[in-house]
Amino acid sequence: EDQVTQSPEALRLQEGESSSLNCSYTVSGLRGLFWYRQDPGKGPEFLFTLYSAGEEKEKERLKATLTKKESFLHITAPKPEDSATYLCARGIREKLTFGTGTRLTIIP
Amino acid sequence: DGGITQSPKYLFRKEGQNVTLSCEQNLNHDAMYWYRQDPGQGLRLIYYSQIVNDFQKGDIAEGYSVSREKKESFPLTVTSAQKNPTAFYLCASSRTADKEKLFFGSGTQLSVL
Repeated sequence: EDQVTQSPEALRLQEGESSSLNCSYTVSGLRGLFWYRQDPGKGPEFLFTLYSAGEEKEKERLKATLTKKESFLHITAPKPEDSATYLCARGIREKLTFGTGTRLTIIP
Repeated sequence: DGGITQSPKYLFRKEGQNVTLSCEQNLNHDAMYWYRQDPGQGLRLIYYSQIVNDFQKGDIAEGYSVSREKKESFPLTVTSAQKNPTAFYLCASSRTADKEKLFFGSGTQLSVL
């Protein structure tokens, strides 16, 4: 069974200060890695799907990358509206394993 | 607008009471899911359904029941057998061809009185 670990648990950044969130997992093989954003009191919102090592996806200030054992969510020049909890999940079909998330706070 | 609607937003359960959480989607998705979210834990799958009149247990199905009589609706009942029901409950749906891309509702916070 896949285990998904996210780090750090929480991250506070100044506006414009770039950083990266990490998602590591234990089972290799043909299954996807998914990133979601969750605002307080809301459901998660899908961001990216990655399948192959070396693959990258971008959306505004976010870029997700994938290696054989981990994924990074890079945040470039973040703004306060990027504050949220970022979840990663790994799996195939309906068998998804979610991490506990990184709570990101961007300070103006 | 297409999406998933969960109701109520907040729900309180008394001892020994069954409560039902509503989930409706107008995305024409075949698959629907119920997840439970607790502080410090990842989302855990309770039940899922891939077609009408069919559903499967997820990782933590004990104390819960579901039905799928219509494609648009997937209600979750939290029974009195669920001894620790306080949690944030999330309903999701997906297309059959893209099952891992989940569309979530806004959630229901269930608390015990």
